[in-house]
Amino acid sequence: GAVVSQHPSRVICKSGTSVKIECRSLDFQATTMFWYRQFPKQSLMLMATSNEGSKATYEQGVEKDKFLINHASLTLSTLTVTSAHPEDSSFYICSARNSRQSSSPLHFGNGTRLTVT
Amino acid sequence: QKEVEQNSGPLSVPEGAIASLNCTYSDRGSQSFFWYRQYSGKSPELIMFIYSNGDKEDGRFTAQLNKASQYVSLLIRDSQPSDSATYLCAVNPGGTYKYIFGTGTRLKVLA
Repeated sequence: GAVVSQHPSRVICKSGTSVKIECRSLDFQATTMFWYRQFPKQSLMLMATSNEGSKATYEQGVEKDKFLINHASLTLSTLTVTSAHPEDSSFYICSARNSRQSSSPLHFGNGTRLTVT
Repeated sequence: QKEVEQNSGPLSVPEGAIASLNCTYSDRGSQSFFWYRQYSGKSPELIMFIYSNGDKEDGRFTAQLNKASQYVSLLIRDSQPSDSATYLCAVNPGGTYKYIFGTGTRLKVLA
């Protein structure tokens, strides 16, 4: 089945530093990938839609300058949390769908647990 | 009005019983429907998808879709404690790439 690989699975960083999270579709092409954030005991929150070869589309209230998204190829999207603060500590999850199949389901990466100290 | 609605639960069922999870959606033009399971601290995993009215079975899981009434449900037969998780309903409205998620129903299967 379709596999989405997300790395790293866990990261601890200091306030003010930047963290990059990678999301790869391993066996399919994904022109669109999605980035979510989830706080404990809360729902998935869509942060942005990553579009291959063009700018990401951010959801209302998500700072595009703080959460930089790059989708440079059909299989890779990256999310960089810039100048991280403790309130950015959360579970970040990417997902992707097979661009070549209409109505393809979303497949999720295993998530990245970010802790900012 | 929320676009995809689920009862947050928890829904408690005894081991071996049938768990019934429901989801309603507002966009009548929606084409594709998905059920995901999410264990605490983990990312969602796809259980089933359904596109046509009626039932679709996969092992102990059955997805049911009724487009006229705009609901989709998931039945879990012979529920096991390992089925205890949050179940997310997702809908893909026709003509868009967006997937709209419900807030999830927490299922507890009691041993």
